[in-house]
Formats: sequence, C-alpha cells, structure tokens
Amino acid sequence: AQKITQTQPGMFVQEKEAVTLDCTYDTSDQSYGLFWYKQPSSGEMIFLIYQGSYDEQNATEGRYSLNFQKARKSANLVISASQLGDSAMYFCAMREGWKAAGNKLTFGGGTRVLVKP
Amino acid sequence: SQTIHQWPATLVQPVGSPLSLECTVEGTSNPNLYWYRQAAGRGLQLLFYSVGIGQISSEVPQNLSASRPQDRQFILSSKKLLLSDSGFYLCAWSVQTGALTDTQYFGPGTRLTVL
Repeated sequence: AQKITQTQPGMFVQEKEAVTLDCTYDTSDQSYGLFWYKQPSSGEMIFLIYQGSYDEQNATEGRYSLNFQKARKSANLVISASQLGDSAMYFCAMREGWKAAGNKLTFGGGTRVLVKP
Repeated sequence: SQTIHQWPATLVQPVGSPLSLECTVEGTSNPNLYWYRQAAGRGLQLLFYSVGIGQISSEVPQNLSASRPQDRQFILSSKKLLLSDSGFYLCAWSVQTGALTDTQYFGPGTRLTVL
C-alpha cells in the first residue's frame, strides 16, 4: 500500500492566486513527521515545511502553510500568492516513528505546478 | 553553514561500464547520509543510507553498492551498469539527533544516462 499519496499529477495556477496541493498518508505510528519539498527544473530538492504529528498548530513558513488534518491523515500544502518561480514539482514525504533507523523518508509521487502569468 | 556537493553533474555511460558517484558534506559532523534515485517524472526511491563510517544499509536489492570511507563522504558505485540504472541520483544528509524534525537536505544531483 502507498504510504504517501499525491493524487494531483499536475496543476495550473494563475500568478498571485493560492494553490493547494493534496497529500494523504498511511501510518499506524502515533509519532511521525511530514515534510514538503520543492524540486525546480534544476533537480535539487528544496525543503519547504515540516509538520509533526503532535503539533497542534498548522505549520507555516512564509507563503507556505500546511493544512494538517490528522483524523483524515492529510497534510495539504498551501502556497499563497503564487509566483512564477513557484513552478516546480512538489513532493510530500513522511518519517515514521521516533526511532526509525536512519531517519528515513518515504516520498509521494509528486505534483507538478505550473504558474501562469 | 552546511553544504552538500555531488559530482559529476551529468554522466553518460555505456551498458556494462563501472560507475562511481561521489557526495561530500561540509559544515557538519557525523551526519546520516542517503542515496536516492529518481526516474523521469517520478518520486524518489531510497537506495542506501548510512549512519556512520563503514555502516551502509541497502533498501533496494540491485547491482549498485554504496560506501562511506570518511565521515562526510558517501560513494555510489556499480561494477556493471544496466540500462535500468539511468536516472537522477540525489545524495542527502541529515543530523542524527533522532528527532522527527531532523530534515534531510539534498545535493544538486547527478543525471546518469546509460546507453
């Protein structure tokens, strides 16, 4: 079974508008962390935002915010005021358990975002 | 601040040739190190990770191997490349506090084409 599911393979968004990228996850652990990364065409993976399973507040980082709904096991990324430079692939990832060996991450398949001027 | 380097940036190799990709991290000590492969338009697949010198864990059985000869050096190798080894190879590092917040930071990647 997929641990991380990103159901939107691609999205268009108008510049200056907000966009929501979906991510659902599957785990039986009570302790886990969720991460979002951005991958521009250059290929490098850029860390954007983190949400812990015990965090009561939704994480925010500049124009990025995470809509964390624990009961639904979803951790959607919201990008506000989209800019042309936001065009990229976006990946959701999860780390399970406090003592998972090696701090391993499981990645979703990604969502490609194209911002239109 | 910490920096992670990978080389080469691109590589074209014939089937059956050997491979050596190198990753080094600066500005931290005793990091966890990771090798991922990404097929075109797909997500990341963890290949190997290391929690210390000489300690390598393999996630996917294949004709690739990894080594960590020094604390901040991680090498991905193959004796004989296959066509299916083509892809984008990313190295990453994280601290080892064991906290859920330990973020993985990625290098610029190596694009490998096997012909």
